[in-house]
This record gives sequence, C-alpha cells and structure tokens, in this order.
Amino acid sequence: GAVVSQHPSRVICKSGTSVKIECRSLDFQATTMFWYRQFPKQSLMLMATSNEGSKATYEQGVEKDKFLINHASLTLSTLTVTSAHPEDSSFYICSARNPIAGVEDTQYFGPGTRLTVL
Amino acid sequence: QKEVEQDPGPLSVPEGAIVSLNCTYSNSAFQYFMWYRQYSRKGPELLMYTYSSGNKEDGRFTAQVDKSSKYISLFIRDSQPSDSATYLCAMAYTNTGNQFYFGTGTSLTVIP
Repeated sequence: GAVVSQHPSRVICKSGTSVKIECRSLDFQATTMFWYRQFPKQSLMLMATSNEGSKATYEQGVEKDKFLINHASLTLSTLTVTSAHPEDSSFYICSARNPIAGVEDTQYFGPGTRLTVL
Repeated sequence: QKEVEQDPGPLSVPEGAIVSLNCTYSNSAFQYFMWYRQYSRKGPELLMYTYSSGNKEDGRFTAQVDKSSKYISLFIRDSQPSDSATYLCAMAYTNTGNQFYFGTGTSLTVIP
C-alpha cells in the first residue's frame, strides 16, 4: 500500500511553455499532498502544501503564479509550471500523506518528474 | 544554523560492512524521525519511521534516536551493493504528515 505515482517521469520543453505534472495516490486517499523540488546533489526543498479542495500553501520564495497547484480530488494533485525557463529545470517530487489508521502517518513519495527546459 | 545537519559524504564501504549514517538537529521539539532511501533519479522511499527516543529494527536496518543528544542514526548491517543510494533523514514536530525537515542526504556506495 501507500503507492504514489507521478506523470510524466520526464519532460523536455521549450522556454516559455507550460508543463503540467500529475501526482496520484493509487491505493489511498490523500487529504494532503506536498510538492518538492530537488537540484542535483541537494536535498528536497518543499515548494507547497496542497490540501484537497482548498488553495495550496506556498513556501516563502515560491511564486504562486508560476507554480500553479490544484488538488481537485483526494487522489490527484497537479503542479503546472507556467512559462517555464531554463532555471526551472529540476527534479520535481510529490508526496502524499497517508493517514489511514494503523498505518504510519507519514509522507510517501512519488518517483519524481525530471523537467528540462531548453 | 540549519534545522537538520547531515554529512553529505560520499561514503564508500566494502560489501558486508556495517554502515552508520547520522543526523543531528537543533530543535528539541522534533518527535518523529524518518529515514528515506533515494536511488539516483528516483523519489525517496521510506525505510524507517520512529517516534521519540529508542531503537527500531527492520531486517538489516536499525534506527536509533537519542533525543537528549539530538542525534539520530541509521545502521545497515551486512551492506549490499544494492544499498548504494542517498540516504535522507527527515524530522517532524507532529505526526500530522505536515512539514518535514530534511537533511541534505548522505551518498553511500557499497563496493562488491
């Protein structure tokens, strides 16, 4: 249990285009999902916390209008990188909270999406 | 000062060795401690989850938490080449699944 998927796993796009990344909890309902960014040889940097049915909470320094997050259902959250630029190239990872009773209430991570902006 | 400190390594050990990975932290309010394993270009995978102080064992892995010293460890016995990965420690104030504080990760290579 507690499987999280991401799609696509890799995307290459031109500068100025928008890219949508999907995060799905496959076998549980996730009231809260998280979006992280990870640069090479660095740790995870939390970008935003997404609660189903409400607006995402962004970390300081993360542009809300650039990184649009939608958490429309208990199993799906999307991150859209709008007008992507080369500096947005990174590894984007989502995680989902699994609060099922009897299971450790912690975050389970997706496999990540590697974004390359040319 | 960072909330969580972790030596980035890299750490190289021969197959079969015992590996010790460590993190220190500054905030005594942390109560939940996790270790994740991350293979290259993959998402982190939960290895161990512990609450408060003490030891927890799962197969070849043992997690230790010493809250008095603000120090946590992950031991890997009989290390295998497949253990080669980056190991991230993470901490949280509560178990609500909200904000985690991550270490920078330690890169481990187990040499056959």
